[in-house]
Amino acid sequence: KAGVTQTPRYLIKTRGQQVTLSCSPISGHRSVSWYQQTPGQGLQFLFEYFSETQRNKGNFPGRFSGRQFSNSRSEMNVSTLELGDSALYLCASSPNGTPEAFFGQGTRLTVV
Amino acid sequence: EDQVTQSPEALRLQEGESSSLNCSYTVSGLRGLFWYRQDPGKGPEFLFTLYSAGEEKEKERLKATLTKKESFLHITAPKPEDSATYLCAVQGKAAGNKLTFGGGTRVLVKP
Repeated sequence: KAGVTQTPRYLIKTRGQQVTLSCSPISGHRSVSWYQQTPGQGLQFLFEYFSETQRNKGNFPGRFSGRQFSNSRSEMNVSTLELGDSALYLCASSPNGTPEAFFGQGTRLTVV
Repeated sequence: EDQVTQSPEALRLQEGESSSLNCSYTVSGLRGLFWYRQDPGKGPEFLFTLYSAGEEKEKERLKATLTKKESFLHITAPKPEDSATYLCAVQGKAAGNKLTFGGGTRVLVKP
C-alpha cells in the first residue's frame, strides 16, 4: 500500500510570492492534516480536512489556506510568503474511525 | 489547551546502554497518545498509540507505557540505528484528528 505522497519535495520561493503544496493520502483515508515544522516551534498543526470540509484549524494567519478534493487529495496554499514561512510542511492522513496519523516525507520550503 | 513536554531534549547513549524518554501531557479527554520516530529531513514514522493508563506497547527494542500524566519510551540495549528524534503527541477527544506535539528528544547511540 502506497504511503502519503507529498509534492514537491523541495521548493525555493521569494518573499511576497505564493506557493501551493500537494498531498495524496493513503488510499481509503479521508482525513488529511497539515503541519508546519521549524527548529524553533517544532511541529504545529495547521488544519485538518475530512470529506472536503475543514474540520479543525490551528493558530496560523489567514495567508495559510487549504482545500481537499473529492478523491481526498489535499493542497495547501501560502500567500504573500514571509521569511519566517521557511519550514518543513508535513501532511498526514488518517483512516476513518481511528486516531492514528501517517505522515508523508514533507515539502521543504525555503523563502529567500 | 493541550500541552506536551518531552525530556530530555537530547540523549547520548553508548550502544547497549538502556534508557527512558519522558513525555508529560495535559489534555482535555485523551483520545490517544502517540510516539513517532523522525530521521533528519524525513517525515515522522508512526511507532505506537496508547489509549489508557496502564497500557503498554512493544516493538523490537522499544517499549511505550502510559500513566494519567506521563508516557515513557524505554529503549532497551539500543543500537546505532536507533539514533533519531523521538516525538510524543496527544489527541483530545474533541480535537478531530489534530495532534499536539512535544518538542522531541534527539537520541544519539554511539557504537
